[in-house]
Amino acid sequence: NAGVTQTPKFQVLKTGQSMTLQCAQDMNHEYMSWYRQDPGMGLRLIHYSVGAGITDQGEVPNGYNVSRSTTEDFPLRLLSAAPSQTSVYFCASSRQGAGNTIYFGEGSWLTVV
Amino acid sequence: AQKVTQAQTEISVVEKEDVTLDCVYETRDTTYYLFWYKQPPSGELVFLIRRNSFDEQNEISGRYSWNFQKSTSSFNFTITASQVVDSAVYFCALRASLTGANSKLTFGKGITLSVRP
Repeated sequence: NAGVTQTPKFQVLKTGQSMTLQCAQDMNHEYMSWYRQDPGMGLRLIHYSVGAGITDQGEVPNGYNVSRSTTEDFPLRLLSAAPSQTSVYFCASSRQGAGNTIYFGEGSWLTVV
Repeated sequence: AQKVTQAQTEISVVEKEDVTLDCVYETRDTTYYLFWYKQPPSGELVFLIRRNSFDEQNEISGRYSWNFQKSTSSFNFTITASQVVDSAVYFCALRASLTGANSKLTFGKGITLSVRP
């Protein structure tokens, strides 16, 4: 039962470096998304996708890029890391439609120094 | 616009006490879905319950119970006879009926529950 798998779990980056957070799901879910969690802010949506080849911005998209070439994978790219991007990142997926539960990966802890 | 308010930020109880976590939501949609997630100290987000807007029946699952009231836009969560393992951050979330951007989860800011032995 893999569900939603994120890698890496922990990462330290220097300001200005780029990196990709990987996300894969094996449930054939159409909807995938990335959230970031910051103290006192809850979880905020970065980008989402409703199917292969279709992506759109969430609440806090600046500094991030996504693509969806397959149903299974939804990587999140940090183009030029900034200390403000220090956060915990969660990938999530669900079947299309608001009535379906969104399942989350285990999270990726990112520190930008 | 959708909004979820969890006015309590931190709650501390002694083991075996009952505790209620409050959640108030705002949405213009007539069909929507409410969720509770638990985030234990290990950090993962664990789905607890989903409730749709046209089913106000309260639910009990073991020591957990949920009280959904559309009249007050509330979806409160009660833990009976709390245990140390219940210590976690609890998030209430709302998902509207539309697809696309509106199918996102809107989260409250979470309630940190500490259960002391």
